[in-house]
Amino acid sequence: KAGVTQTPRYLIKTRGQQVTLSCSPISGHRSVSWYQQTPGQGLQFLFEYFSETQRNKGNFPGRFSGRQFSNSRSEMNVSTLELGDSALYLCASSDGGGQPQHFGDGTRLSIL
Amino acid sequence: DAKTTQPTSMDCAEGRAANLPCNHSTISGNEYVYWYRQIHSQGPQYIIHGLKNNETNEMASLIITEDRKSSTLILPHATLRDTAVYYCIVRVGNSGGYQKVTFGIGTKLQVIP
Repeated sequence: KAGVTQTPRYLIKTRGQQVTLSCSPISGHRSVSWYQQTPGQGLQFLFEYFSETQRNKGNFPGRFSGRQFSNSRSEMNVSTLELGDSALYLCASSDGGGQPQHFGDGTRLSIL
Repeated sequence: DAKTTQPTSMDCAEGRAANLPCNHSTISGNEYVYWYRQIHSQGPQYIIHGLKNNETNEMASLIITEDRKSSTLILPHATLRDTAVYYCIVRVGNSGGYQKVTFGIGTKLQVIP
């Protein structure tokens, strides 16, 4: 099976712009979660989608949003980018039950 | 969500066993312990998980104390490729919703030649 695929791998944006990141989960996985990782902060949970519905949301402002399509692929959008949004954004998929999540290698977003 | 506490860093000699501790004193009865590791510039890699019994797979062993308030990940013969940040998390292991799990900063394991 192919692993979790995230595109693009690297992205450079300027303040005020918006960005869309994409995640293709492992085939058959219906749960997709997004995390933000910054130096010294570990992985912070953004949100989780299961069968096109958002099931959980972390403590991030409304500028961060996401969606999931019928094929389980997911996108994450960040509007009005700020310097502090520079981070590695990770996507993880699972079957939605107790099985472990499997992560992609992330999209590294840099805000100038 | 139950929180976990891990040492910030550890060293281990190559070929020796690496024992990484994790404290999860507020764990609930239906929460599993999961271990992941992250090598620089890659996404976290799943290692092992367990509820209350000790578990072993091709990568590692997981020892959970009887009161489930702590656990230890054991890499039996550490190699230089095991140098990574190791995360211990707890979450409910059932269907019906995923918890807002935060990984924390983990333990940076340095395997020394």
